[in-house]
Amino acid sequence: EVQLVESGGVVVQPGGSLRLSCAASGFIFDDYTMHWVRQAPGKGLEWISLISWDGDNTYYADSVKGRFTISRDNSKNSLYLQMNSLRTEDTALYYCAKESSTTGWGAFDPWGQGTLVTVSS
Amino acid sequence: DIQMTQSPSSLSASVGDRVTITCRASQGISNYLAWYQQKPGKVPKLLIYAASTLQSGVPSRFSGSGSGTDFTLTISSLQPEDVATYYCQKYSSAPRTFGQGTKVEIK
Repeated sequence: EVQLVESGGVVVQPGGSLRLSCAASGFIFDDYTMHWVRQAPGKGLEWISLISWDGDNTYYADSVKGRFTISRDNSKNSLYLQMNSLRTEDTALYYCAKESSTTGWGAFDPWGQGTLVTVSS
Repeated sequence: DIQMTQSPSSLSASVGDRVTITCRASQGISNYLAWYQQKPGKVPKLLIYAASTLQSGVPSRFSGSGSGTDFTLTISSLQPEDVATYYCQKYSSAPRTFGQGTKVEIK
């Protein structure tokens, strides 16, 4: 069974940093592009970052560019999101998601359960 | 960047009704379009990919159509378990933008 388990979400002060992790199992991790998506309380889904299967290509939403860094460790079947200079508007449930295709251009399936990041003083 | 616009933002329909949600891309995206269902308090679930291909296990009352800039998600006969918010998403290129969502309720 394909499984994605996020961790690392906590309450952090504005300007602070945080590293989220996503542990993957049940599939060949280094065959797939991986993503982070977030959802602010009561709001819609916002795609924020992707990393190619080999880590060589990364993309970011404008809202997090320059502050967040996506990375992966294929030897540990793990995806990460380093979040710096956090703002109150970064408060959200953060999901990791696997692409459904190995082509690098696919829909997201499955999604993890999410980890909650709260940025507040 | 390509923008994805869904309509309506919410709808209320009776059990058994045919429900249609539209998604428009600001530029052509071929058929690189997915639809997700998110039930209250739950994780988003892939319903349809490649604009019209039903994900395994998804009931056949769900269908998708369209190509280029205009896409449609149809529920042929609305069921109580279909109460959810539905999102379209383009995956032709980064950013992998989502539509703003359509909340479906039972009348």
